Amino acid sequence: RKEVEQDPGPFNVPEGATVAFNCTYSNSASQSFFWYRQDCRKEPKLLMSVYSSGNEDGRFTAQLNRASQYISLLIRDSKLSDSATYLCVVKRGDQAGTALIFGKGTTLSVSS
Amino acid sequence: DVKVTQSSRYLVKRTGEKVFLECVQDMDHENMFWYRQDPGLGLRLIYFSYDVKMKEKGDIPEGYSVSREKKERFSLILESASTNQTSMYLCASSFLGNQPQHFGDGTRLSIL
Repeated sequence: RKEVEQDPGPFNVPEGATVAFNCTYSNSASQSFFWYRQDCRKEPKLLMSVYSSGNEDGRFTAQLNRASQYISLLIRDSKLSDSATYLCVVKRGDQAGTALIFGKGTTLSVSS
Repeated sequence: DVKVTQSSRYLVKRTGEKVFLECVQDMDHENMFWYRQDPGLGLRLIYFSYDVKMKEKGDIPEGYSVSREKKERFSLILESASTNQTSMYLCASSFLGNQPQHFGDGTRLSIL
């Protein structure tokens, strides 16, 4: 089982749609979780951290289910500018210098 | 704002050459990372460092080495470049602990 798994998509949705991405991770000792966004031929950029209680940032909501080792990202009222690849990211542990593990990404295409 | 600077956006080298990719960050981050990103494979960690002169192997260190002589600078070295090292190389940095990483713009390296 891969350490971080995502549905690669692509997800093709109209403007205004609500879309949800899921991600599972295999290491139960994982401590920190993030969603990154990557535009075509650009570097990944942090979209939001994911907290145990769930968190929201505008149209974006992130949820974490530690028991099921599952992370989700919900985008409401999709905009054309949301078109990108969304990377689920997990930190393996809490030790100094522990690396992040990236999923392969889910591609979203929002059309008018 | 965090700034991670990679020395080149595009680089073309020949098989067998020794190649240096440089990365500098200006936020006094302890952690620095080198990834490569290939279609269908996502981001894969090559090496990382959590302190000056410290280095740790990532998931795919073969054919690479690194150098961290100063806190702000992390160099990736291809000892003898091969065509299968043609890729997008991304440098990132972060504070210790559960902090997200910030990426440079990437270097698109072609080995002919």
